[in-house]
Amino acid sequence: LAKTTQPISMDSYEGQEVNITCSHNNIATNDYITWYQQFPSQGPRFIIQGYKTKVTNEVASLFIPADRKSSTLSLPRVSLSDTAVYYCLVGDSSSASKIIFGSGTRLSIRP
Amino acid sequence: GAVVSQHPSRVICKSGTSVKIECRSLDFQATTMFWYRQFPKQSLMLMATSNEGSKATYEQGVEKDKFLINHASLTLSTLTVTSAHPEDSSFYICSARGGRTVAAGELFFGEGSRLTVL
Repeated sequence: LAKTTQPISMDSYEGQEVNITCSHNNIATNDYITWYQQFPSQGPRFIIQGYKTKVTNEVASLFIPADRKSSTLSLPRVSLSDTAVYYCLVGDSSSASKIIFGSGTRLSIRP
Repeated sequence: GAVVSQHPSRVICKSGTSVKIECRSLDFQATTMFWYRQFPKQSLMLMATSNEGSKATYEQGVEKDKFLINHASLTLSTLTVTSAHPEDSSFYICSARGGRTVAAGELFFGEGSRLTVL
């Protein structure tokens, strides 16, 4: 199981772009990289998933370098409502694959 | 999108009683379900993995007789905390992995259930 390392916390301001980087040096060939967002007293919510290069959806972009040993979640123009904990997970999609959470990054957005 | 529902969202019980938490995949068949617990300001800790029709696989340090998991169908898994004690108070979260009816392997999380044992 690939272990992930993220900054424990980050602060930013409304309207800024926020980039959260995750290290996963032991990522396997079949592993995908998935980011989740969690608000207090709620279950995690899917943000974005990728395998390599760049993926973009309506809420975020995910940048993955060629060696796939790290990934960066980019949140454009954050707002106060983006204050949450963000988790980077790696794993394959087989049903037997366990999903182990790392420490996550606590993002605080200020006015 | 696919939805996973947990019930109850909050439960308060007396020490020594048992509490059952349900996790349902509402619009897809979940081949695998995972149960997590989360303490305040900490990450999610995997407790066990359950596959429909088979016994759950528990993580090291998780007492299988304490936390009973039943995965009776492709849409329902239950976690029963037996003889609950105050130290079992926590936020319990289930997740379900889709099979053929949703993107294979995609993981969906329930809303969580907060257990408080008095």
